[in-house]
Amino acid sequence: EIVMTQSPATLSVSPGERATLSCRASQSVSSNLAWYQQKPGQAPRLLIYGASTRATGIPARFSGSGSGTEFTLTISSLQSEDFAVYYCQQYNNWPPSITFGQGTRLEIK
Amino acid sequence: QVQLQQSGPGLVKPSQTLSLTCAISGDSVSSNSAAWNWIRQSPSRGLEWLGRTYYRSKWYNDYAVSVKSRITINPDTSKNQFSLQLNSVTPEDTAVYYCARDRGGDYGDLYWYFDLWGRGTLVTVSS
Repeated sequence: EIVMTQSPATLSVSPGERATLSCRASQSVSSNLAWYQQKPGQAPRLLIYGASTRATGIPARFSGSGSGTEFTLTISSLQSEDFAVYYCQQYNNWPPSITFGQGTRLEIK
Repeated sequence: QVQLQQSGPGLVKPSQTLSLTCAISGDSVSSNSAAWNWIRQSPSRGLEWLGRTYYRSKWYNDYAVSVKSRITINPDTSKNQFSLQLNSVTPEDTAVYYCARDRGGDYGDLYWYFDLWGRGTLVTVSS
């Protein structure tokens, strides 16, 4: 099973500043990586797929990068509504595999 | 607007079967592009993909190795919904269960990520 490791577990950032979240895969997943945002009591929301493509309706301040085993989600200028938990998810077509990271909690500094 | 509406009991006894349903509005369980998934979330296991069903001239199912011996996902075309059955549950199966859509591509290819989620159902396994 491909293991996804996110860092840091918690990130404290001030509104208006940049946040950088990391995700590492235990083996190459090419660009088969998605990012989700989850707020308390809600389902995850798709932000990024294909490592760098924003999902429909996602603001341009969210960007994804990376390939292979190292990935980054960057939020360029944090808004109050961005404070949440973020998860990465790999998808590997063969052998069929879908696994999530353990999450990074983004909190207000 | 596509929506997924979950239903099912919030409490299941150990060794019994967990059963949940996800009703689809604005899309079709028989879509030739989408796939319909179940995912769960617990503090101990995090987010865990359980399996999916999808139609490409016939019905297909894929299941996670961790639950493959205990899980069944079935489509119900008459009600435009799909269901999850998880047998022989233990307290380890206590989690919030989500249904989710993989929108898929125009040529029937699966995307393997989830653009639409249900609101989640907390299922507790306890006697």
